[in-house]
Amino acid sequence: NAGVMQNPRHLVRRRGQEARLRCSPMKGHSHVYWYRQLPEEGLKFMVYLQKENIIDESGMPKERFSAEFPKEGPSILRIQQVVRGDSAAYFCASSPDASYGYTFGSGTRLTVV
Amino acid sequence: DAKTTQPTSMDCAEGRAANLPCNHSTISGNEYVYWYRQIHSQGPQYIIHGLKNNETNEMASLIITEDRKSSTLILPHATLRDTAVYYCIVRPGYTGNQFYFGTGTSLTVIP
Repeated sequence: NAGVMQNPRHLVRRRGQEARLRCSPMKGHSHVYWYRQLPEEGLKFMVYLQKENIIDESGMPKERFSAEFPKEGPSILRIQQVVRGDSAAYFCASSPDASYGYTFGSGTRLTVV
Repeated sequence: DAKTTQPTSMDCAEGRAANLPCNHSTISGNEYVYWYRQIHSQGPQYIIHGLKNNETNEMASLIITEDRKSSTLILPHATLRDTAVYYCIVRPGYTGNQFYFGTGTSLTVIP
């Protein structure tokens, strides 16, 4: 009964490249949430998805960032043309429905060089 | 939009109870109180949640005041592994509302 799986754990990208972060929710969970934590700062909500639908993207930067949760496969957070300010830990969480608490993954640490 | 107030940091002696306070004076009737913690660089970990009754599980106890304007998370016998940032979050029980993490309380358990 694996928890929320995120990969890769660490990702290094050069400025201008694309970063793809993957999140496989817990079995039976159809709600996925992405959070970002900048160095020495708190967790900031980015986006909430339910299978094939974006429910709330109020925390997503307007440009370069996108997220999807297809019918089959993991949720993907995509960052195009990365900049140094995108360096952060990105956490994914899942829940069986939106009224439950979340289970978080171990995060992906993105470093932009 | 955390809607809660917590002390920035606290210390606790190993083996003693750690009592972490949280003020949520504007809490609404349908909002639950949740506690999460984040051990250095790891993903946040759910601890406990409650609406108005006190709650206890294998990790901690949650004491909510009768007027629900504040609560206390109690770790009965703190260990060094409990050193973490503890977040108190209020959230409606219905769908579509995310957890908004504030700055939390940085708890240091001292040997």
